[in-house]
Amino acid sequence: AQKITQTQPGMFVQEKEAVTLDCTYDTSDPSYGLFWYKQPSSGEMIFLIYQGSYDQQNATEGRYSLNFQKARKSANLVISASQLGDSAMYFCAMSRIQGAQKLVFGQGTRLTINP
Amino acid sequence: EAGVAQSPRYKIIEKRQSVAFWCNPISGHATLYWYQQILGQGPKLLIQFQNNGVVDDSQLPKDRFSAERLKGVDSTLKIQPAKLEDSAVYLCASSSFGVNQPQHFGDGTRLSIL
Repeated sequence: AQKITQTQPGMFVQEKEAVTLDCTYDTSDPSYGLFWYKQPSSGEMIFLIYQGSYDQQNATEGRYSLNFQKARKSANLVISASQLGDSAMYFCAMSRIQGAQKLVFGQGTRLTINP
Repeated sequence: EAGVAQSPRYKIIEKRQSVAFWCNPISGHATLYWYQQILGQGPKLLIQFQNNGVVDDSQLPKDRFSAERLKGVDSTLKIQPAKLEDSAVYLCASSSFGVNQPQHFGDGTRLSIL
């Protein structure tokens, strides 16, 4: 079975600072994918970034980067130069590569950016 | 490109009543998912369709929940009869066929059971 753990229920950061959201995972699958989603108060889930377990380099998408440490089973999200619009819930998720590719989500971290 | 469409946006019903949700995925997306998100938790998969076939419904409470995806496009999720613990946001997502394609979500339906 797959499991995602997000240990930070809430984070408070000053605008323009960088922030790291923690995510650890557990799986017995040899290959898997890791995802981060953003959920603003309006409720929609917005895809941010993806990392495959077989990828050698850490994924980056604009201000988002994924700090993937396979041996530690961690996939932390780094947001550089935070903005007020980054305030939201952030979910880490994983899926299998083969077969049914459902997402297994963590509990989420609520990020608040202060002006 | 139009996103995943869901309706209704909100629904309030009494326990033991029935309710149905509708989802229209992104055009061309073969895979469709229904998730349940209870307040304060991450979403949990209820059912996954590949075209119009079910891939995974292991966490669907089949005594009260049903879902279909006729013609491999639109999908409906039904609850009958509803229980208080079904109060949640029901999210529909779709993805292209392939390895670890990102899932794109609709705005969800917020269901309140009185």
